[in-house]
Amino acid sequence: SQQGEEDPQALSIQEGENATMNCSYKTSINNLQWYRQNSGRGLVHLILIRSNEREKHSGRLRVTLDTSKKSSSLLITASRAADTASYFCARSGNTGKLIFGQGTTLQVKP
Amino acid sequence: DTAVSQTPKYLVTQMGNDKSIKCEQNLGHDTMYWYKQDSKKFLKIMFSYNNKELIINETVPNRFSPKSPDKAHLNLHINSLELGDSAVYFCASSQGRQLMKQFFGPGTRLTVL
Repeated sequence: SQQGEEDPQALSIQEGENATMNCSYKTSINNLQWYRQNSGRGLVHLILIRSNEREKHSGRLRVTLDTSKKSSSLLITASRAADTASYFCARSGNTGKLIFGQGTTLQVKP
Repeated sequence: DTAVSQTPKYLVTQMGNDKSIKCEQNLGHDTMYWYKQDSKKFLKIMFSYNNKELIINETVPNRFSPKSPDKAHLNLHINSLELGDSAVYFCASSQGRQLMKQFFGPGTRLTVL
């Protein structure tokens, strides 16, 4: 399969805790992107990390990329109830397409 | 103010019918996409247009025909609808073909009865 694997598939935490989601892939990439999807809505771009970068931050979000292990992780610190959503990684390679993982469903309990 | 808009938001129709979904973006982007998201949230690219030229055409039944009248619009026409076509269809846009960040529309939930 061309898709990446995301894990866990579902994650439930308390408000204030950190949430970590992982994404693995099989082929080489140009960049890897993370998106958020709230229930019943479209996807919203969060962070793009290029293949020559190892870490990127945006507010409470931290993304790491390990190209030797073909994996990436998204860390959300000090989670809030509003972070409840599905999170997808998407990789771009040489095919001219974004390949999405199957997502991690995050529930943050108030 | 909506960056990428789709109409309709919901579409319920009978098997065998023909339907269209429209997409418009006001971001000035030159590349637009159609994605299909199934009930397990698996999101898959269907088509992509760059400057009105078809650049990605995945293994999609030829009952699906995209049309891009200009850079700001990408419509999706579906003939002879089947039960398996039920899904949420997302339009997206981006600037350039370098697979940078994409902006998604709110989705069209298609239900085929």
